[in-house]
Amino acid sequence: GENVEQHPSTLSVQEGDSAVIKCTYSDSASNYFPWYKQELGKRPQLIIDIRSNVGEKKDQRIAVTLNKTAKHFSLHITETQPEDSAVYFCAASSLGTYKYIFGTGTRLKVLA
Amino acid sequence: DAGVTQSPTHLIKTRGQQVTLRCSPKSGHDTVSWYQQALGQGPQFIFQYYEEEERQRGNFPDRFSGHQFPNYSSELNVNALLLGDSALYLCASSLPSFVTDTQYFGPGTRLTVL
Repeated sequence: GENVEQHPSTLSVQEGDSAVIKCTYSDSASNYFPWYKQELGKRPQLIIDIRSNVGEKKDQRIAVTLNKTAKHFSLHITETQPEDSAVYFCAASSLGTYKYIFGTGTRLKVLA
Repeated sequence: DAGVTQSPTHLIKTRGQQVTLRCSPKSGHDTVSWYQQALGQGPQFIFQYYEEEERQRGNFPDRFSGHQFPNYSSELNVNALLLGDSALYLCASSLPSFVTDTQYFGPGTRLTVL
C-alpha cells in the first residue's frame, strides 16, 4: 500500500547549524511532495512543496530536493534558529487528488 | 479572510457514543479532506468531500462518515466510539485542483474517548 517513511524521528542541532530530514515514498504515482511544520498545539503549516518535474526548490533558508528514481525527497534547513523547533512532516500525493500520505514526523530541536 | 475553522476545539466522549465534528473551509475552497492524527504520529487520511459527495476514502471503517453542505462546510461523524479513536481530527481545504495542490489545515478538534 501507499507508505511514506521519514527519518530521523528526532533531531537536535545547534543554532546556526543545518538540519536535514529525509523521506522515502512507495507509490510511483506520487508527484507532489509538500512539507508541513507543526508547532505544539497548532495546525500543520505548509513550509515548502515540490512537484516531480523539479529536482530542487529553495525558499530562503529552506530547500527541498527530490530524487524520483530512488523515490527519496529531503528537507534542508540552513542557519537554524530556535523558532525552527517544531515537528516536521513530509507527505506524498498525486496531483489533483489532495490525498496526502504523511510520514511519521521529525521532532527538530534547535539548541541556543 | 478567515482560514479553515473547526469546532469544537476539544471534546470528551465515552466508549460507544457518537460524535460530530465540524469544519468550515477557507473562502473559495470547494474540497474538504479529513485526517486523524494520533499522538506522536502523522495525519492519516480519512476521506474527502467534493461537490457534496465522498470522492476518496482512506482505510477507515464505516463508523466514520461525513457530509458536505452546499456552502462547502463539512461534518465528520464517528459512531460507536472506541478508545482508539482518541486523536486530533484535522480538516483541510483546497481550491480546485487546476489552481493549486496545496491543502490548508484547520486547528483541529481534540477528541478524547474514555
